[in-house]
Amino acid sequence: AQKVTQAQTEISVVEKEDVTLDCVYETRDTTYYLFWYKQPPSGELVFLIRRNSFDEQNEISGRYSWNFQKSTSSFNFTITASQVVDSAVYFCALSDPPSGYSTLTFGKGTMLLVSP
Amino acid sequence: ETGVTQSPTHLIKTRGQQVTLRCSSQSGHNTVSWYQQALGQGPQFIFQYYREEENGRGNFPPRFSGLQFPNYSSELNVNALELDDSALYLCASSPRGVTEAFFGQGTRLTVV
Repeated sequence: AQKVTQAQTEISVVEKEDVTLDCVYETRDTTYYLFWYKQPPSGELVFLIRRNSFDEQNEISGRYSWNFQKSTSSFNFTITASQVVDSAVYFCALSDPPSGYSTLTFGKGTMLLVSP
Repeated sequence: ETGVTQSPTHLIKTRGQQVTLRCSSQSGHNTVSWYQQALGQGPQFIFQYYREEENGRGNFPPRFSGLQFPNYSSELNVNALELDDSALYLCASSPRGVTEAFFGQGTRLTVV
């Protein structure tokens, strides 16, 4: 069975601090996808990144960066120089093999509070 | 390009009643999935529709049912509502064979 664990329930930082959100996953599949979504108070899940299991290259997009390590089954997300607008709940998710349809297994989320 | 839209935004129902939630998929997306998100939890997969047929189902009882229409829009129906059905219901659409899902803003259902 697939499982995603986000051990950090809530993180509070002051603006301009760097923050890392942890994600550990479990799957028996050799082919899978990992995702991060952001959920602001409005409720909509905003897609941030998708990474497939064969690509362990780290990725950077502006202030966001992701560290994927298959050896530890982790896919951590770092926000550099955090801003108040980064305050939201962040979800890590795992996708079934791309057999033609996609379902996502989500973690419980990490609430990030960035104060001025 | 129109994104995923859901209606209504909020809904209050009484225990035992039935409810229908609606979702219009993003243009060009033929696969629609529904998720339930209880307060403080991550979304949980309910079921998925592709070409008007159920294409996968999570651990939800049969009183949760759905439909997909030829224009790929979808409905989620819940019968015999229970208090624990109170949650944010999210609809996601994706093109067939693509793992990335695009979510709507959700319908917040409160059962009293």
